[in-house]
Amino acid sequence: EVQLVESGGGLVQPGGSLRLSCAASGFIFSDYYMDWVRQAPGKGLEWVGRIRNKANSYTTEYAASVKGRFTVSRDDSKNSLYLQMNSLKTEDTAVYYCVRATGAFDVWGQGTMVTVSS
Amino acid sequence: DIQLTQSPSFLSASVGDRVTITCRASQGISSYLAWYQQKPGKAPKLLIYAASTLQSGVPSRFSGSGSGTEFTLTISSLQPEDFATYYCQQFNSYPRTFGQGTKVEIK
Repeated sequence: EVQLVESGGGLVQPGGSLRLSCAASGFIFSDYYMDWVRQAPGKGLEWVGRIRNKANSYTTEYAASVKGRFTVSRDDSKNSLYLQMNSLKTEDTAVYYCVRATGAFDVWGQGTMVTVSS
Repeated sequence: DIQLTQSPSFLSASVGDRVTITCRASQGISSYLAWYQQKPGKAPKLLIYAASTLQSGVPSRFSGSGSGTEFTLTISSLQPEDFATYYCQQFNSYPRTFGQGTKVEIK
């Protein structure tokens, strides 16, 4: 079964850091581009960032709202995707989804909640 | 950035109704558009990609059409399990963007 499972969410103070992880299974993780998408409480979906595969030099893309603060990385040997979030703001409060990208986002994790509050 | 505007934002319909949701892009995106369904407390689910290709396992009552700047998602006969929020998303350029969503509720 193709599956993505996020972890690492929680409560953090403004200005703090948090690292999210996403464990992939059921497919050849290293072949795919992987993205993060978030959803603030009661709001719509917002794309956060992407990491391409090894064949495309693991290059990354980011939304303007997180560029310079968030870093997407991956470890193909562990079938894992990561999101390092620094200088967190209250507006970063959201459920964060790990997604597999095949053009569209065809596989989604269940999401992990990040709350930025003092 | 490419803006996607969905209409309507809210739709009240009955089981068996034909439902159409529109997504308009602020610039041409060819057919690089997807549709997702999201139920409360759940992750979104891909319904349609490349504007009109049905994702494997999605019922045939869902269909998509359009290209360029105007797209539609149609549910031919609304079923109880279809009451949800629907989002369009473009994958023509970065940043990837979503429409604001269309909530389909029971009349």
